Amino acid sequence: AQKVTQAQTEISVVEKEDVTLDCVYETRDTTYYLFWYKQPPSGELVFLIRRNSFDEQNEISGRYSWNFQKSTSSFNFTITASQVVDSAVYFCALSEAVKGGSEKLVFGKGTKLTVNP
Amino acid sequence: DAGVIQSPRHEVTEMGQEVTLRCKPISGHDYLFWYRQTMMRGLELLIYFNNNVPIDDSGMPEDRFSAKMPNASFSTLKIQPSEPRDSAVYFCASSPDRANQPQHFGDGTRLSIL
Repeated sequence: AQKVTQAQTEISVVEKEDVTLDCVYETRDTTYYLFWYKQPPSGELVFLIRRNSFDEQNEISGRYSWNFQKSTSSFNFTITASQVVDSAVYFCALSEAVKGGSEKLVFGKGTKLTVNP
Repeated sequence: DAGVIQSPRHEVTEMGQEVTLRCKPISGHDYLFWYRQTMMRGLELLIYFNNNVPIDDSGMPEDRFSAKMPNASFSTLKIQPSEPRDSAVYFCASSPDRANQPQHFGDGTRLSIL
C-alpha cells in the first residue's frame, strides 16, 4: 500500500529563515504523482505543486522550491526567507492507482509550520 | 472562475440527526472527491465520482454514510444517523479529466455532532 510520511509534526522558525519540510513516500507503482498542498489557518486546502515520477528536475517558484529524489523516495519542500504568511499546515500527497483505472491521493499527516515575526 | 463550493460551512447538530453536506464542483471537472479530516486520522478519501458515477467508495466508514451525485454540478454526502465520532471537517474536491490532475478543494464543512 502507498504511504506518505511527514516526520516533522511541527516546525517553528523566525521570519526570514529558510525551512525545509520533509516528505518520504512508499509506492510500488512505476508511474505516480506527488503533490504538496497548503492549509492556512482559515482551513482551505491550496494546491502548490504536482510532480510526476519521471521528472526529477527540481522546481522553483518564487520563494518555494521542491527537491524530488527517486533514489531516496523523497519530495522535500523548501521555503526561502520565510514570512509570517507562510504559517500553515503543509501536506505532501501521493497518487495511488485504484479500481476503475484512476487514482486517488494518499496524504501525509502534515507538518505545521509557524513563522514568528 | 468559481471554485469548489461547499455548504454549509459549519454544522452543529445532535447525535442521531441526519446531516447532509453539499458540494458544487468546478464546472467542467469530471472527478469529484469527498474527504474527511480529523486530528487522529488526517485527510482520508471517503468516495470519489467520475462523470457522476461512484468509482471507489472503499473509504466510506460505514453504512450510515452515503453519497450521491445526481448531476455534474452537485453532490451530497449524507450521514444518517449521525454520531459524535463523525465530527470532522469534510472537504469536497474536484479535478479535470484524470484524477492525478491537481484537485481543487472547497473550503470544507466543519461538522460537530453533540
